[in-house]
Amino acid sequence: SQKIEQNSEALNIQEGKTATLTCNYTNYSPAYLQWYRQDPGRGPVFLLLIRENEKEKRKERLKVTFDTTLKQSLFHITASQPADSATYLCADTGRRALTFGSGTRLQVQP
Amino acid sequence: SQTIHQWPATLVQPVGSPLSLECTVEGTSNPNLYWYRQAAGRGLQLLFYSVGIGQISSEVPQNLSASRPQDRQFILSSKKLLLSDSGFYLCAWSVGQGQTRGNGYTFGSGTRLTVV
Repeated sequence: SQKIEQNSEALNIQEGKTATLTCNYTNYSPAYLQWYRQDPGRGPVFLLLIRENEKEKRKERLKVTFDTTLKQSLFHITASQPADSATYLCADTGRRALTFGSGTRLQVQP
Repeated sequence: SQTIHQWPATLVQPVGSPLSLECTVEGTSNPNLYWYRQAAGRGLQLLFYSVGIGQISSEVPQNLSASRPQDRQFILSSKKLLLSDSGFYLCAWSVGQGQTRGNGYTFGSGTRLTVV
């Protein structure tokens, strides 16, 4: 079955730097990959969706790439701010509903 | 605009007691509806999803059940809670018409359930 793997270790970066988070999938290439932000005690918030035939998608300071050869998606936040500190979840549409990775916590230091 | 309501926000229940969590969506018709559970420090586990009234698919066999009595209402229930049912329960919706892929999900604010 499909597994979505994200680095469980927290990522600490300095304000202004680019944060890069990794999402790997183990089996079939997802038709769509989605990225969400989750703050403590809150539900995830949808950020971006990238299709299998798209290599890159951008939204303001966010950029997502999709490499089907590496079975990997990268999520970038440029000019990071302390307000970007949160857990970021990657999700595969799966056969019926989203399958989520366990998320990577990002901490942006001022 | 579309909104999703989920309640209660927190709940402490004794082992063996029943459970009922409710989720309603406003501003859209025929949404796909989902229940997820998140254990502390873990990812989201899909419990149930529904593409229409009375249509429920279960992903994880357990002592929980779900019902969809109305188009925009989704209920998660249990007859007897276990300690292992503790967690953060999240309801979500996405654009329907039977299409479960390719659309972002909108999540509710969640219910923190502690079984004691």
